[in-house]
Amino acid sequence: ETGVTQTPRHLVMGMTNKKSLKCEQHLGHNAMYWYKQSAKKPLELMFVYSLEERVENNSVPSRFSPECPNSSHLFLHLHTLQPEDSALYLCASSQEEFGGSPSEAFFGQGTRLTVV
Amino acid sequence: KNEVEQSPQNLTAQEGEFITINCSYSVGISALHWLQQHPGGGIVSLFMLSSGKKKHGRLIATINIQEKHSSLHITASHPRDSAVYICAVLNYGGATNKLIFGTGTLLAVQP
Repeated sequence: ETGVTQTPRHLVMGMTNKKSLKCEQHLGHNAMYWYKQSAKKPLELMFVYSLEERVENNSVPSRFSPECPNSSHLFLHLHTLQPEDSALYLCASSQEEFGGSPSEAFFGQGTRLTVV
Repeated sequence: KNEVEQSPQNLTAQEGEFITINCSYSVGISALHWLQQHPGGGIVSLFMLSSGKKKHGRLIATINIQEKHSSLHITASHPRDSAVYICAVLNYGGATNKLIFGTGTLLAVQP
C-alpha cells in the first residue's frame, strides 16, 4: 500500500463510451500526475497538477480530460478513445517544494485500460 | 535516443546471483529514482538518490553525477525479486520537477 489508490484496476470500454479513472492520495501531497504506460515504451507524463492547478500538459489528445477537484483527488475523464489508447494508466503524487529538495513520487497500482 | 537509457533490457539470473542493472542519462537532474514494477502494474519506489550510495536490505543503489550514471545492485537474488526495474530521473526546470523514465529492465530470477 503506497498511499495512492486508483480505481478501477481494470476497465474495458468501447470507443463510444465515456468513463473516468479515479486517483486518491492521503499523503498530504500537493502535486499529482497522470502517466501512461504502453507496451515496451517508457512511462509518458500526461498531466501534472500542482496545488490543484494544471501546470503541465504534454500535448495529450483532447479525448483525455483531467480534473483535480482538490489536492487529494485526481480524475481522468475518457471519451471516444481509440484502441491505441489501451495501456496502463498510472497516477502518482509528490510533495513539491519549489526551490527546495527533490521530492519522491509515490505511485498507485494503475488502471489497465482496454479499448475495444 | 531516450534521455534515460537502461541496460540490460532483459536479464535472467539464477537464485543467489549478484545482479547489476545500469542507468545512464543525458539531462540535468536533481535526483534519480529506482522503481520496481511487479506484474499487474503497481510501482514501488525503491530509492531516491542524488549522490553517493544507498542500501536497503539486499538492494544497493549508487550514482555518479559527473558520469551521469547509476547502478542498482541486488545481492543474493531471489525469485521474488523478479520484476521490471525502472530508472527515472527527476528533471528540474519549469513550474515543477518531472520524472523522465527509462524503458525498464525485466529481471527474471530462476530458482
